[in-house]
Parts: sequence; C-alpha cells; structure tokens
Amino acid sequence: QPVLTQSSSASASLGSSVKLTCTLSRGHTGNTIAWHQQRPGEAPRYLMNIEGSGRFTRASEIPNRFSGSTSGADRYLTISNVQPEDAAEYYCETSDTETWVFGGGTKLTVL
Amino acid sequence: QLLESGGGWVQPGGSLRLSCVVSGLPLRSYAMGWVRQAPGKGLEWVASISKGGDTQYYADSVKGRFTISRDNSRNTLFVHMGSLRADDTAIYYCAKVCGYDCYYFDYWGRGAQVAVSA
Repeated sequence: QPVLTQSSSASASLGSSVKLTCTLSRGHTGNTIAWHQQRPGEAPRYLMNIEGSGRFTRASEIPNRFSGSTSGADRYLTISNVQPEDAAEYYCETSDTETWVFGGGTKLTVL
Repeated sequence: QLLESGGGWVQPGGSLRLSCVVSGLPLRSYAMGWVRQAPGKGLEWVASISKGGDTQYYADSVKGRFTISRDNSRNTLFVHMGSLRADDTAIYYCAKVCGYDCYYFDYWGRGAQVAVSA
C-alpha cells in the first residue's frame, strides 16, 4: 500500500507564500492525492485533489490562494498571501482503492 | 452534511456503535468511510464501504473487531466497534468518498468522541 511522507512543520509570515510537500512512495508515484486542512479544535476540511499529471481541483469554497502542483512523486500545496486563519495542520491522503492512507501532517505556523 | 452520533465512554473489551446521518446528498451514490484521530495524533483511516454496501475494507488495526455498514434507505452510515481497547480512544469522523472512479475523501463530518478506559 502507498506511504505518504510530509514534513512535520512549516512556517510562513503573514502575506507571504508557503509550499507544503507530500511525497508518494515508490510504485505509487502516479496516484491522485487529496489535501485536507484541520484547524485547532475543528474537523478536517477537504481542500483539493492533485492528479499525477499536475492538474488540481479545489473544493468549491476554497479561495484561489490555495493551489496545487506535482513534480514526480511530490504533490505540493501552495498557499499564497498567507492569512492568520491558515494556521492549521495539513494532511495529504491517497488510496489504492482498498486502503486509504494519510500523511503524518504538516503543522503550519503563521508568523 | 454528515452528522455523527453514538460516541461516549466504554470500558476495555466493550462495544459501541457509531452512526452518521447524511443529509443534502444521496448516500447511495457514494462510497463512505470512517477516519479517526487519537488525542494529539494525526488522521488514521479505519474502514470504508462501497456504495451498495456489498464490499468493506478495514485497516489492520481494527480488522476483525470493527464492522462498517450502511442503510441507504435511511441515509445512514454505521460502524460497530467491538473488543475495544484503550488505543481505540479517538475522535471518529465519517467521510464521503469523492465519487465515480475516484477514491479520496471530499467531505467530513464533525466527529464523535470515543473514550475507552477502565
């Protein structure tokens, strides 16, 4: 089954941009992944999916400050013009149709 | 909207059934799943079920102890949790799988707290 690797933490200054990385394990580098945001004390919220081709689709209510991209086994979530409400844990997720896997999460601190 | 219920405190070895009522979309059109989060930890997939309910998938950590099911006529998803252990303590979220020929979760419930202790 696939394994997803994320850095445990990241930081960004207010108004800057930050790029979070999710790396797929060997044999699964073409997988589509999803990004989810979880603010403290809240349930996760789906942000977008990113295909192996690099195409990404945001959930309808997610602002276009959030974008996705791909490079090989890496799937990126870029947040532009970082806002205080972006401080959260970000998880990537994928599936091989019979198992679902989450990365360990990246905690984003907004400075 | 996905709304979980049935959480609470249970002793080790006990059982509990969580429900997730789905409103605003036809449950029968989507596969569904349960995901949990232990205190201070990340997200862990628990189980998923096909649209019609005929196929179930489980994480190794719950296989043989948990059973996922659904009643599409009542727009409700269930998970029966048996032989509960302290490490099953978590918030349990129900989540909707995206749709035809895709397999990620794209909508989450608010969660139900489950605490397993003596």
